[in-house]
Amino acid sequence: GESVGLHLPTLSVQEGDNSIINCAYSNSASDYFIWYKQESGKGPQFIIDIRSNMDKRQGQRVTVLLNKTVKHLSLQIAATQPGDSAVYFCAEKGNNNDMRFGAGTRLTVKP
Amino acid sequence: DAGVIQSPRHEVTEMGQEVTLRCKPISGHDYLFWYRQTMMRGLELLIYFNNNVPIDDSGMPEDRFSAKMPNASFSTLKIQPSEPRDSAVYFCASSLISEYNEQFFGPGTRLTVL
Repeated sequence: GESVGLHLPTLSVQEGDNSIINCAYSNSASDYFIWYKQESGKGPQFIIDIRSNMDKRQGQRVTVLLNKTVKHLSLQIAATQPGDSAVYFCAEKGNNNDMRFGAGTRLTVKP
Repeated sequence: DAGVIQSPRHEVTEMGQEVTLRCKPISGHDYLFWYRQTMMRGLELLIYFNNNVPIDDSGMPEDRFSAKMPNASFSTLKIQPSEPRDSAVYFCASSLISEYNEQFFGPGTRLTVL
């Protein structure tokens, strides 16, 4: 069946550097994607979303890029801070308005 | 707004016991989702409701699991009988009816079945 997956399970970056977290999806009909951040002991928290009619969307220190040709989604975090350390999930909207989550990438920010 | 509320936050029980997890969605939200999260399987959608009606329960692992939503402000996920492999963090989330549905997650219930 269709699924959402992540390229890298872990990512370690220096404080102040930029981070890039990648996600591959397989459902070419997906028209909406969300990135979530999950800190230890908490539920996932919305970061940023993007519709399929866009290829880039920016938020505060975060940018999501969507490449529909290769079915690839990425999350860029500028000037990564210790507070950004968490697990990041991409999710795609399913056929019945549910969201299907990828496996997650753990981001560790080194001081 | 208090956000999505789940109770209990932690539950430790013995194999064979009945477990009931509770969720109060954000007021006005039309969708409610139950997820299970484990190290091995990640975040799995178990079931979700739209306007209190179950829409998709294909993620419910087996008949030991059941979920109800008697009204717009309350849902339960029940496991009977519980087994050690049910140990996980269970999240409830809610969202509005819209073409694009950001889900708001509760803090989760950490379940340990001994």
